[in-house]
Amino acid sequence: GAVVSQHPSWVICKSGTSVKIECRSLDFQATTMFWYRQFPKQSLMLMATSNEGSKATYEQGVEKDKFLINHASLTLSTLTVTSAHPEDSSFYICSAEAQQATKDRQYFGPGTRLTVT
Amino acid sequence: KNQVEQSPQSLIILEGKNCTLQCNYTVSPFSNLRWYKQDTGRGPVSLTIMTFSENTKSNGRYTATLDADTKQSSLHITASQLSDSASYICVVSETGGYNKLIFGAGTRLAVHP
Repeated sequence: GAVVSQHPSWVICKSGTSVKIECRSLDFQATTMFWYRQFPKQSLMLMATSNEGSKATYEQGVEKDKFLINHASLTLSTLTVTSAHPEDSSFYICSAEAQQATKDRQYFGPGTRLTVT
Repeated sequence: KNQVEQSPQSLIILEGKNCTLQCNYTVSPFSNLRWYKQDTGRGPVSLTIMTFSENTKSNGRYTATLDADTKQSSLHITASQLSDSASYICVVSETGGYNKLIFGAGTRLAVHP
């Protein structure tokens, strides 16, 4: 089955530093990848949609200069949280949409726990 | 506004018992409805996915139903196990260039021995 990985699975960083999270589709090509943020006891909130080779589309209220997304290849998208602050501490989940036209084309990664101290 | 509402917000049941989770949605245009299981600290895992024409879909002890006329869905868990303790999220997909997903808030299920 389609597998999406994320790296790292958890990260602790100091306030003011930047953190990069990778999302990879391991056994399929993904033209579109999605980045979500999830706060405790809340559901996933879409942050942005990235298409390979083009700029990401950000949801309303998400700062594009703070959350940099790069979708450089069909199997890799990265999310960089720049100048992280404690309020950026959250669970970040990516999903990847397979190119093939099947009913369920979107597969989720295992998530990355970010803690900013 | 496209919304997905789930009930109950949380549920505690004893191991071996059955339970049913509810999902109401107002998403239009509708592509499909999915149920995901999310363990704490993990990404969502797909349980079932149903299109407009499908009324029921089973995956082991999980059975999902869909009434597209009333825009309601349910997830029935049979003979619950301790490992069923998780959040169950109802997600509705809009039609479009890509399938934008509208997430419900989830139902947190705790199965006690």
